[in-house]
Amino acid sequence: NAGVTQTPKFQVLKTGQSMTLQCAQDMNHNSMYWYRQDPGMGLRLIYYSASEGTTDKGEVPNGYNVSRLNKREFSLRLESAAPSQTSVYFCASRGMSGGGAYEQYFGPGTRLTVT
Amino acid sequence: AQSVTQLDSHVSVSEGTPVLLRCNYSSSYSPSLFWYVQHPNKGLQLLLKYTSAATLVKGINGFEAEFKKSETSFHLTKPSAHMSDAAEYFCVVSEVLSGGGADGLTFGKGTHLIIQP
Repeated sequence: NAGVTQTPKFQVLKTGQSMTLQCAQDMNHNSMYWYRQDPGMGLRLIYYSASEGTTDKGEVPNGYNVSRLNKREFSLRLESAAPSQTSVYFCASRGMSGGGAYEQYFGPGTRLTVT
Repeated sequence: AQSVTQLDSHVSVSEGTPVLLRCNYSSSYSPSLFWYVQHPNKGLQLLLKYTSAATLVKGINGFEAEFKKSETSFHLTKPSAHMSDAAEYFCVVSEVLSGGGADGLTFGKGTHLIIQP
């Protein structure tokens, strides 16, 4: 049981290049999320998927697209990378934990630099 | 919209002394609250969560937090700090998103905990 996995771990892009960040979970969770983390800002929600086949915008969706490929996988695409998208990206999935409460489980992150 | 305010960006304590990390939230209804910890260059790990079952919540590694509705606070404490506690701590509130069936997390900006030997 690997939990939430993300690839790649590190990436350097030039301005204008495109790339896709991959995320997969093996916990059979319905909901999945993409966040970005910037210094002094905490984490901010980019996009989420409440269930397979649905996606919605979060707080900071501009410049990104997502695909919920199946129940396990949720990818984040940068069509034309900009330096402002330099950040650490975290994928998460949501499921029931002890005590009947939901919590989000996070992947290890992808550190992206756009030059 | 919900929000979270972590009152200190940095907290420094000596090893073996108590830790207090302060958090206030705003919410239009009874929230779910969490504390997450992030060690350098690592992902986020759940420390503890409040979901209305009990106001004093115990988490991993000796941490606990008390939910005080009248003060809209959810402060994190630990009786005795250890060097391994040095990390970034995030107070988080959960809200139901408009898409339905999913909760979005609103993060505080984080408190950097420094442990002095």
